[in-house]
Amino acid sequence: DAGVIQSPRHEVTEMGQEVTLRCKPISGHDYLFWYRQTMMRGLELLIYFNNNVPIDDSGMPEDRFSAKMPNASFSTLKIQPSEPRDSAVYFCAASSRTEAFFGQGTRLTVV
Amino acid sequence: AQSVTQLGSHVSVSEGALVLLRCNYSSSVPPYLFWYVQYPNQGLQLLLKYTSAATLVKGINGFEAEFKKSETSFHLTKPSAHMSDAAEYFCAVSFSGGYNKLIFGAGTRLAVHP
Repeated sequence: DAGVIQSPRHEVTEMGQEVTLRCKPISGHDYLFWYRQTMMRGLELLIYFNNNVPIDDSGMPEDRFSAKMPNASFSTLKIQPSEPRDSAVYFCAASSRTEAFFGQGTRLTVV
Repeated sequence: AQSVTQLGSHVSVSEGALVLLRCNYSSSVPPYLFWYVQYPNQGLQLLLKYTSAATLVKGINGFEAEFKKSETSFHLTKPSAHMSDAAEYFCAVSFSGGYNKLIFGAGTRLAVHP
């Protein structure tokens, strides 16, 4: 298994544009998490899914953020419209009950 | 509220010296505790975890951590630092068991100098 795969690794976009971040989790790991990392706020949990169902989205900062998990092998985090303060590294993580694995992250820059 | 506090955002040690990174948590229920390491431009990698078994936990790369309930602490140590240990280290806690809702500390950046 190649681990958690995130795409793109880097994204630069203009303010107001829609941004979609993608995650392919590890097969058989039924929890999926989206985190955001910034210098100011550290690692923040945005939302997590269990068996493709959103369980807790209380960390999603605004309605501009949305996440989906249409099946066990794919999840997206969408920001529409994007703003400069959304610039951060976004991590996807997959876990079973015993182990959690992080992707390498997507570095988003909104200019 | 449940929280994790890492004391010291930056720690600097000499190669071969003891590494001690501090982590305290607050919880009214037994926690699961984790240490992760992040190298530049990489994701987080699990170093070790405490899940209510042995209080002294050994992890990868020679790191270990001891769960002390009376002190609500889970400090990370390594007897002898290597240059390759330079990275950012995160303490994390889960209060609902397993890996649900990991809450991370602010991180400690470890520098190792010759």
